[in-house]
Amino acid sequence: SAVISQKPSRDICQRGTSLTIQCQVDSQVTMMFWYRQQPGQSLTLIATANQGSEATYESGFVIDKFPISRPNLTFSTLTVSNMSPEDSSIYLCSALPGGGETQYFGPGTRLLVL
Amino acid sequence: GEDVEQSLFLSVREGDSSVINCTYTDSSSTYLYWYKQEPGAGLQLLTYIFSNMDMKQDQRLTVLLNKKDKHLSLRIADTQTGDSAIYFCAERSSSASKIIFGSGTRLSIRP
Repeated sequence: SAVISQKPSRDICQRGTSLTIQCQVDSQVTMMFWYRQQPGQSLTLIATANQGSEATYESGFVIDKFPISRPNLTFSTLTVSNMSPEDSSIYLCSALPGGGETQYFGPGTRLLVL
Repeated sequence: GEDVEQSLFLSVREGDSSVINCTYTDSSSTYLYWYKQEPGAGLQLLTYIFSNMDMKQDQRLTVLLNKKDKHLSLRIADTQTGDSAIYFCAERSSSASKIIFGSGTRLSIRP
């Protein structure tokens, strides 16, 4: 299994600013992901965070808006850039340990953009 | 593309069994998951089943898989107020790392 923590747990931000969310896993994992959950919605994959290389983004998400870092096998960051109220969501980090059967999720970061 | 569908709401009486249903379209699905999300919390992995299994039981939880019909269900026996949450069905093929989520079923418990 993998225990995942995220910082901050929640934030209220002004439009036009940027927020960086940190994700820490308690063990080395093969893959890490970032998801968005808009109010009342299901989860949408933003990107796969690749260790040592550029993230792989899903359709509709771009690096300029959601830059991602993954410097090692236990840590990743997601930045939400130039925020607007439409970015108000829960952002969840996820990890897939080696072996690849189960994917675990962090507690989420609740973002409100005013 | 791949799709996972669930009904949006389910209401059951405390003590009864809850059955949450899910259908999926990807015939190459290898892993099928049930996640629970309580209000204000992240996703908790409840259980999962391999596509070569028909059933998996874990205490009050029973997962049934009908691979022919691409139908997955989660039965919660003796439903309690603490079971109130949104339950997400999800699937992943062995060749992909991406999980496809359903829309979630909001389970409410009435006394």
